[in-house]
Amino acid sequence: DADVTQTPRNRITKTGKRIMLECSQTKGHDRMYWYRQDPGLGLRLIYYSFDVKDINKGEISDGYSVSRQAQAKFSLSLESAIPNQTALYFCATSEGRGGHLYQPQHFGDGTRLSIL
Amino acid sequence: KQEVTQIPAALSVPEGENLVLNCSFTDSAIYNLQWFRQDPGKGLTSLLLIQSSQREQTSGRLNASLDKSSGRSTLYIAASQPGDSATYLCAVFSGNKLVFGAGTILRVKS
Repeated sequence: DADVTQTPRNRITKTGKRIMLECSQTKGHDRMYWYRQDPGLGLRLIYYSFDVKDINKGEISDGYSVSRQAQAKFSLSLESAIPNQTALYFCATSEGRGGHLYQPQHFGDGTRLSIL
Repeated sequence: KQEVTQIPAALSVPEGENLVLNCSFTDSAIYNLQWFRQDPGKGLTSLLLIQSSQREQTSGRLNASLDKSSGRSTLYIAASQPGDSATYLCAVFSGNKLVFGAGTILRVKS
């Protein structure tokens, strides 16, 4: 089984719909992240969480919200989806030790989201 | 604001060639630099991590170098194989987060 699991893997929906993408991890990591990837732009950080009570905005948080339900679960919501949110979405985790020292991030396989 | 650029955007080479992928970043205040591989339909796999105090890291046929003062890194792949075909992403850890380049799409022809 994958250490970082994203559901669904693919989703097609219509403009204006509410969508939730889910991420669960078995690595026991404290830190979790949501990114989106667009062609030619690389990955951009949407939100991140350093523990269950900590939520932080990333580079492109407008139009998104997150919920850290437990150490192992971090969900991303699009309250009212729009076509320019069509992208590949990745969840990642990392250990929480070491303060600001970098701990390698481990990525899920992604959710391909298409908004018509 | 940190920006990461990767050149070339795409590369096609015959099997067996040695090749170099380039990455540049605008702010030299980084903690480290990481190279990832991304296969279609899959997430990112970490290849090499270079701490800011290091000059290079090696893993098998891969060698990554870092010149922090000039804001550059290279990923050298020796004796390329068709299985090396993938997108290669460079990312710097800066300001408490990873900042990614857009990637280089590599195709190794058999």
